[in-house]
Amino acid sequence: SQQGEEDPQALSIQEGENATMNCSYKTSINNLQWYRQNSGRGLVHLILIRSNEREKHSGRLRVTLDTSKKSSSLLITASRAADTASYFCAMNSWGKFQFGAGTQVVVTP
Amino acid sequence: GAGVSQSPSNKVTEKGKDVELRCDPISGHTALYWYRQSLGQGLEFLIYFQGNSAPDKSGLPSDRFSAERTGGSVSTLTIQRTQQEDSAVYLCASSSSPRGTWEETQYFGPGTRLLVL
Repeated sequence: SQQGEEDPQALSIQEGENATMNCSYKTSINNLQWYRQNSGRGLVHLILIRSNEREKHSGRLRVTLDTSKKSSSLLITASRAADTASYFCAMNSWGKFQFGAGTQVVVTP
Repeated sequence: GAGVSQSPSNKVTEKGKDVELRCDPISGHTALYWYRQSLGQGLEFLIYFQGNSAPDKSGLPSDRFSAERTGGSVSTLTIQRTQQEDSAVYLCASSSSPRGTWEETQYFGPGTRLLVL
């Protein structure tokens, strides 16, 4: 399957802590994106990193991409209760857009 | 509208009935996707429309599933003779860029939660 694998499947942290989740994939990609989903509803695009980029920042989000290892990580710094959600990586592979299974993050006050 | 809209928000139906789910993409977006998400799972690709091109139906799980996109805008996903395993959240997404392009980003609707009894 070309679908990405994410780990951990679930993550529970306290407010103020950092949350890190990882995504691995199998085929070459032109970009990789991270999305957030609240309460099983629509996904919200967070950040896109191109295959020729290694790191990208957006607010409290930091994404890395290692194409040699076919993996990416999403770091949320100084987490807040509002960050509680499921996070999905999506691999854009020239005509194929595949989502990982997601990491469920719970941030407790 | 400002974003992708879907209707209905929730649909409860009896096994064997047909259902229609609607998606209104962001105005001007030429690409439209349908996905299915079962409880606690990732997204399963169903179908992709790009402009006036023939749709990519490779993700449709059976011939009970079909979709149309009229006038390059609104799309309808139809499930005939629904089964209990069809229960899921059906998500629609649109994009201003064709699939696979360098900067493609998908914008999602809130989804339709389908329950087949």
